[in-house]
Amino acid sequence: GQNIDQPTEMTATEGAIVQINCTYQTSGFNGLFWYQQHAGEAPTFLSYNVLDGLEEKGRFSSFLSRSKGYSYLLLKELQMKDSASYLCAAMDSNYQLIWGAGTKLIIKP
Amino acid sequence: GAVVSQHPSWVICKSGTSVKIECRSLDFQATTMFWYRQFPKQSLMLMATSNEGSKATYEQGVEKDKFLINHASLTLSTLTVTSAHPEDSSFYICSARVPGGHTEAFFGQGTRLTVV
Repeated sequence: GQNIDQPTEMTATEGAIVQINCTYQTSGFNGLFWYQQHAGEAPTFLSYNVLDGLEEKGRFSSFLSRSKGYSYLLLKELQMKDSASYLCAAMDSNYQLIWGAGTKLIIKP
Repeated sequence: GAVVSQHPSWVICKSGTSVKIECRSLDFQATTMFWYRQFPKQSLMLMATSNEGSKATYEQGVEKDKFLINHASLTLSTLTVTSAHPEDSSFYICSARVPGGHTEAFFGQGTRLTVV
């Protein structure tokens, strides 16, 4: 079956760095997406990885290892506004997105 | 990026009535749109895949007669919750991808449905 695993909740301190991990099992693979979702709002796109390695975009970076079925989202210089849920989604061979349950990130001052 | 507009943003309806939610792709043609439901503190749950000009594909456990989907044009898909009940209260979100495969999913703003 197809499955995405990510931690349910994480807590970090303002100004620090946090890494949110995601492991996936899909029928075929066409990329890994990360989305941010604030409470009561729709998800917004953060990153897309299809090749192994690290993609950096400002304070946010995303890493992919296809051989390990593993990705992480790295958030640096955390700000209070980064408090949100972070959704990992893998695209299967039919170009369908398989969603993780999301990781709720709590930022403390 | 591409824009997906969803309307209304929130709606309150009486139990037993029907509610229609619209999802429009504003600057691209979407042959496929996706409808999700999200309960509080839970992740997105795919309800159905809406295909332009053909019947929607529903996920297991989703009642097709209760959640009517119409994808009449390349820029509009509608979800109608028929005979709504309080347990249908949820956050409904649509998304679409620009044709071509390897692209991000663009989401509508979501619709908060409350059935009283």
